[in-house]
Amino acid sequence: GESVGLHLPTLSVQEGDNSIINCAYSNSASDYFIWYKQESGKGPQFIIDIRSNMDKRQGQRVTVLLNKTVKHLSLQIAATQPGDSAVYFCAENMGTSGTYKYIFGTGTRLKVLA
Amino acid sequence: DAGVTQSPTHLIKTRGQQVTLRCSPKSGHDTVSWYQQALGQGPQFIFQYYEEEERQRGNFPDRFSGHQFPNYSSELNVNALLLGDSALYLCASRPEGGTDTQYFGPGTRLTVL
Repeated sequence: GESVGLHLPTLSVQEGDNSIINCAYSNSASDYFIWYKQESGKGPQFIIDIRSNMDKRQGQRVTVLLNKTVKHLSLQIAATQPGDSAVYFCAENMGTSGTYKYIFGTGTRLKVLA
Repeated sequence: DAGVTQSPTHLIKTRGQQVTLRCSPKSGHDTVSWYQQALGQGPQFIFQYYEEEERQRGNFPDRFSGHQFPNYSSELNVNALLLGDSALYLCASRPEGGTDTQYFGPGTRLTVL
């Protein structure tokens, strides 16, 4: 299959441990953020989103934290599993006047060690 | 319920040629965006279509153009292909007026020789 993220930062974690993936965004006016997971040869898959009026949002095994002061976003994955191995991207909405223009970060490769 | 579909899966062209990629959005979605993803990088926004019009555009030359049809499907056209156009081209759709979340298709891998 395709190889995504050949030169991306890599986070290696033991199976069962928690993972934290970080992202810095660029526009203080961005009002909406999404985390995507991309497996080799596939398109990005939606994981979780958060609006700028929130600091934290939880999903199933995942939590997104937003720190608007330092323009920082993080994705926490609880009890990391082998199937979580992928490249993870954050995206911010930089559209204007209610439109949507998603700008992606550079991505982080997550490797889960058995 | 089918998700976002794209065709073809893979495509090989030579420099100077033209290419057309196709996207069918998820059922109920009327807004389509196109992205270019070079190897090892995040997706780069090309443009977005809604009501058959280009509504937002990223930093891509005019060689990149698109179209949206009344059934919301979309095409991405690239003229005068360059080696640097080799990438995975992704289509994403979202419902206008609904959730902000956009959903991606599997992409078309374009190789320019």
